[in-house]
Order: sequence, then C-alpha cells, then structure tokens
Amino acid sequence: AQSVTQLDSHVSVSEGTPVLLRCNYSSSYSPSLFWYVQHPNKGLQLLLKYTSAATLVKGINGFEAEFKKSETSFHLTKPSAHMSDAAEYFCVVSDRLTGGSYIPTFGRGTSLIVHP
Amino acid sequence: DVKVTQSSRYLVKRTGEKVFLECVQDMDHENMFWYRQDPGLGLRLIYFSYDVKMKEKGDIPEGYSVSREKKERFSLILESASTNQTSMYLCASRDSKTGNQPQHFGDGTRLSIL
Repeated sequence: AQSVTQLDSHVSVSEGTPVLLRCNYSSSYSPSLFWYVQHPNKGLQLLLKYTSAATLVKGINGFEAEFKKSETSFHLTKPSAHMSDAAEYFCVVSDRLTGGSYIPTFGRGTSLIVHP
Repeated sequence: DVKVTQSSRYLVKRTGEKVFLECVQDMDHENMFWYRQDPGLGLRLIYFSYDVKMKEKGDIPEGYSVSREKKERFSLILESASTNQTSMYLCASRDSKTGNQPQHFGDGTRLSIL
C-alpha cells in the first residue's frame, strides 16, 4: 500500500533563506512522486515529478527535489525563498493501479510562510 | 495548455438539496478525479473515472455519486446535501496514454451547505 507523510504542517522562513519541505513515502513498487503547489483560492499546480530517471529533479520557480530510495524520502528544496513562494505544498506518491490507471495519494500538505 | 474548468467558484446550498458540481477538461484526457480538500487533511479522493461511463469509488464516496457521459465532462452529485459536506471540491484530469502522468487541476468550488 502506498502512503505519504509530510513531516511538517507549517514551515516558516525569511525571504532569501533556504527552503526545505520534507516528505517520506511508502510504496510497494517503484513509485512516481510529485510535488504540487497551491496558492490561496487556486487549484494545484505541478512543481516537479520523479519517474525513475535522474534522482535529482529540477522543477519550476527554482525548486528541486531529491529521490532517496534508501531513506524513502523526496524532500523539496529551494536555495532562496521569495515572498511569492508562500503557499501550500503537497507531496504525492502514485503507484496504486485501479482499472489500469494509477491512483495518486496526497500528503496532508505543508504551509510555507515567508517573512520579509 | 490544459484547461480544467469547474462551473462555480462559490456555491451555497441548503441541507437536503441535490447539488451538482460540474467539471470540464479540454485535452481529451481519459482520467478524471473529484477530491475534497479540508484543512489539515489534504486532498481526499471521492471518485475517479478512468474513461467515459467508467467510474471507481475513491476513499470517501459516501453521500456522493458521479456521472461521466462524455469524455470531457465529469459531474459530482451530492444526493442530499448535509452540513458535513461543506468543503472545497477540486476536479482534476490526467492523460493516461503514456504512463504515470501528473494531474491538471481546476481552481476549485467552495461549497457551503447551510
């Protein structure tokens, strides 16, 4: 069975400092992993995805994530936070097949707060 | 660019009413999803459709049904609305032709049941 744990419900950083949002997963197979961002009153937007190619994945807006199989982790990082990064972030694992299609499982989300 | 459109951004209904939430995608995607989003609980899958007229229950289907008569449209139905169905509802679509692709989301419908 697949599951996702986002280790922090809230992360607070100052503008210009690094961002680390932590995600651990469990999966019976080789999973696909995703990070999405959700700004207030909007839908989710894909930041990046891992699908068994390079373990370091680069996404939009300067974000990247590293897949570590031994640690079952897929943490999201950014070297320098910007005020516009303040949003809710979701880690997603997808390896459960139903009707021939993959069903994603979402973490509970991490709210990123950026202080000026 | 893929566009997923949800018919209403905000909706207020009364207990016991039958409520329809509509979702349309313009990219010929096979898969479509309905989620509800509540603070601290993330996104929970209500129903999933892997193709026209095909549907599967998600993790929290009780009190909901769905309809997918055409590929581009996926409707969520609250048969008899109750106050505990007040929530943000998100629709998503996905291409299933080429492996495990990301989902594309609408902007959500914030539903209040009074």
